[in-house]
Amino acid sequence: DQQVKQNSPSLSVQEGRISILNCDYTNSMFDYFLWYKKYPAEGPTFLISISSIKDKNEDGRFTVFLNKSAKHLSLHIVPSQPGDSAVYFCAAQGGSEKLVFGKGTKLTVNP
Amino acid sequence: EAGVVQSPRYKIIEKKQPVAFWCNPISGHNTLYWYLQNLGQGPELLIRYENEEAVDDSQLPKDRFSAERLKGVDSTLKIQPAELGDSAVYLCASSPRLAGYNEQFFGPGTRLTVL
Repeated sequence: DQQVKQNSPSLSVQEGRISILNCDYTNSMFDYFLWYKKYPAEGPTFLISISSIKDKNEDGRFTVFLNKSAKHLSLHIVPSQPGDSAVYFCAAQGGSEKLVFGKGTKLTVNP
Repeated sequence: EAGVVQSPRYKIIEKKQPVAFWCNPISGHNTLYWYLQNLGQGPELLIRYENEEAVDDSQLPKDRFSAERLKGVDSTLKIQPAELGDSAVYLCASSPRLAGYNEQFFGPGTRLTVL
């Protein structure tokens, strides 16, 4: 049973527009959430995180929103750039337990 | 600052052969992780070390997989014998603090192909 779900395998947006990547989780013990970005032939790189005590965290063009009641989080990229094209993984953690990753969403930003 | 280093980057072996992967974490990082990533999936934890101690190896198939982290720095993950289903990317990651909420820094991975 997948505890972290990214239901959209892929997303395509135009340069300059907003990209919204979604993630749902089932385990109510998760209280820390992260987004990782992965280019081909490279390991995932940390992008942004959010604690369950917050509902929003912003870092430059990247904003993560957390809706605990819906067990849903989303990553907003504004404005999207072609260099943002990558696979984005949502991950969740509860206490000192392991990170649980979703399957990823492949974002393509078209010039 | 140098990142997590893994070698080899690619490995092709025949089934039933042994294989080993090496990881050098970021200097000063106490916690080291080995992950398995199958095609189209997210990384899945195999084992977590805090210094020299394996604190979570519940997902490591111990009949054929083994790992060690001597002196709490470099780590080696071994498969013996390899099976066709072991074809995947093996990722190593490290983080600076023990337990708690840590950003994990990943290496580039080793892509294993078992023929």
